[in-house]
Amino acid sequence: DTAVSQTPKYLVTQMGNDKSIKCEQNLGHDTMYWYKQDSKKFLKIMFSYNNKELIINETVPNRFSPKSPDKAHLNLHINSLELGDSAVYFCASSPTSGGEQYFGPGTRLTVT
Amino acid sequence: GQQLNQSPQSMFIQEGEDVSMNCTSSSIFNTWLWYKQDPGEGPVLLIALYKAGELTSNGRLTAQFGITRKDSFLNISASIPSDVGIYFCAGPPMNRDDKIIFGKGTRLHILP
Repeated sequence: DTAVSQTPKYLVTQMGNDKSIKCEQNLGHDTMYWYKQDSKKFLKIMFSYNNKELIINETVPNRFSPKSPDKAHLNLHINSLELGDSAVYFCASSPTSGGEQYFGPGTRLTVT
Repeated sequence: GQQLNQSPQSMFIQEGEDVSMNCTSSSIFNTWLWYKQDPGEGPVLLIALYKAGELTSNGRLTAQFGITRKDSFLNISASIPSDVGIYFCAGPPMNRDDKIIFGKGTRLHILP
């Protein structure tokens, strides 16, 4: 009965590889988000989708490409991974854009 | 861009003490959200505030929406070990109500 789920929880990969993180919410929310949390624990929004439509893209390198096949899923694909991409990535959802957000458990990405 | 300034950045307290932390902004917010993040987990919503002056409690937690709409505070009474974590304030600024901005967090430590 997990509300917002992400897979995988841990991802260790080498520089230059391409990887994907998946997110699903079963709350019936219209809006989904990807956040990046760095080593200082600062949370920065990357993308926001409302009903499968991109509404926020916060100056993220175009190596990062979100995809929303339906409003319950928002996946994040990262090409040509770099050391600086190492972080914890959180998916979240909210009933409407700008509303109370519910977070997934996070995916810890380590690029070596 | 808009920023939320949280203080203090860190707190070291004894079990049983009361805790107070706040969040300020140069912009007006229509909603204030308080989240807690446990180690290795995603942030969890504690309290949501929607009206200036609103005072809301959730167990030992109390939060208030400042009258100026540019600040909010969170109090924790009679702290216990499981209160340890990072507390984030967040909200959508009035001119960008589709986007939630997060403060940098207050790290709460409880001394043995």
